Amino acid sequence: DAKTTQPNSMESNEEEPVHLPCNHSTISGTDYIHWYRQLPSQGPEYVIHGLTSNVNNRMASLAIAEDRKSSTLILHRATLRDAAVYYCILRPGSSNTGKLIFGQGTTLQVKP
Amino acid sequence: EPEVTQTPSHQVTQMGQEVILHCVPISNHLYFYWYRQILGQKVEFLVSFYNNEISEKSEIFDDQFSVERPDGSNFTLKIRSTKLEDSAMYFCASSEVRTTNTGELFFGEGSRLTVL
Repeated sequence: DAKTTQPNSMESNEEEPVHLPCNHSTISGTDYIHWYRQLPSQGPEYVIHGLTSNVNNRMASLAIAEDRKSSTLILHRATLRDAAVYYCILRPGSSNTGKLIFGQGTTLQVKP
Repeated sequence: EPEVTQTPSHQVTQMGQEVILHCVPISNHLYFYWYRQILGQKVEFLVSFYNNEISEKSEIFDDQFSVERPDGSNFTLKIRSTKLEDSAMYFCASSEVRTTNTGELFFGEGSRLTVL
């Protein structure tokens, strides 16, 4: 399974944008890039996913590098509720199991 | 908004006892999963289940573990003879489709298992 590399932790101020990076230099052409987050004492929660093009939804934006070897999750205005562990996960396009392989993720701290 | 519900929220058991963790997936979902997270560690995949059979399992999911969908709504994880190292948060998840493009997983809030 292709691996991802994320910083262990990041800090942000409330109401400011946050850019969470993820490196996936061994990504294959059919791997989708998924982001999940885990709020304290809760189960993981889907955030966004993409293949090649940048994606936006109500929670966040996903910017994917042209060579697809890195991506950035963008929270446009961080709130205290966004403090969580953010996981960048590659899912093979050919996969038929739905399995997610979680890494250590990035722990985001949001300061008021 | 539909959600995955898990019971109990916390279970304490003695080593060697059997434990059953319960999950009610989202009603129109067809694929079901169990994950676990030992305190301070990564979320780990245990098993995926579709059409009343296991479609994939990890090395962690040994003969002590089993899953079942007994009545069309519940999805259970049984640990036959618990060990101290089974202490963890167990997350149930479900998804509507299995394909990568749209198959986001919806997780429950977890069942904490403490083995003494």
